[in-house]
Amino acid sequence: LAKTTQPISMDSYEGQEVNITCSHNNIATNDYITWYQQFPSQGPRFIIQGYKTKVTNEVASLFIPADRKSSTLSLPRVSLSDTAVYYCLVALNTGFQKLVFGTGTRLLVSP
Amino acid sequence: NAGVMQNPRHLVRRRGQEARLRCSPMKGHSHVYWYRQLPEEGLKFMVYLQKENIIDESGMPKERFSAEFPKEGPSILRIQQVVRGDSAAYFCASSPGDSRKETQYFGPGTRLLVL
Repeated sequence: LAKTTQPISMDSYEGQEVNITCSHNNIATNDYITWYQQFPSQGPRFIIQGYKTKVTNEVASLFIPADRKSSTLSLPRVSLSDTAVYYCLVALNTGFQKLVFGTGTRLLVSP
Repeated sequence: NAGVMQNPRHLVRRRGQEARLRCSPMKGHSHVYWYRQLPEEGLKFMVYLQKENIIDESGMPKERFSAEFPKEGPSILRIQQVVRGDSAAYFCASSPGDSRKETQYFGPGTRLLVL
């Protein structure tokens, strides 16, 4: 069964760099990988999107290896307000292309 | 530019009633997606629509659930004869084009509680 997996949780301290990896073995050939942040009782908020290699914006970087079977979201110097659940979103080749969210990673940032 | 709007934000229904959830996409967006999130779980794709067309409904339960995105007005997710297991947060997202190449932007969600 094609699926998209992430670590269930991660702990960090303020000021540290956090890397969250998403495994997507059966990703569709031509589609983007997108990462979202979700706070309790809110909708997912877009963080970053990429197709291959490395993408960087003002809040994060996204690393995608050549085979695209995984991707890593990198959050530099996290703060307490980065405590949230982080999801990757990809389209999988499951006979028909379907959008699948990762299992989600609950990040806890402590002082 | 207003973001994706969803209403109501909270909806309470008794078993057997109908629930109607509305989603107004961002201005200029013609693609709408519905997702369901059960408590303490991730988001599950339900349906993908363009104006007046259902493109992919592979995540929709076969019975009681339907969705539409008319030429005018918001997209509607309809759940008939609700059961307690339908209690969840339902999120709508929109994109200007095919989301596999365009970013999806999410609304705040509708939290459905079935008593």
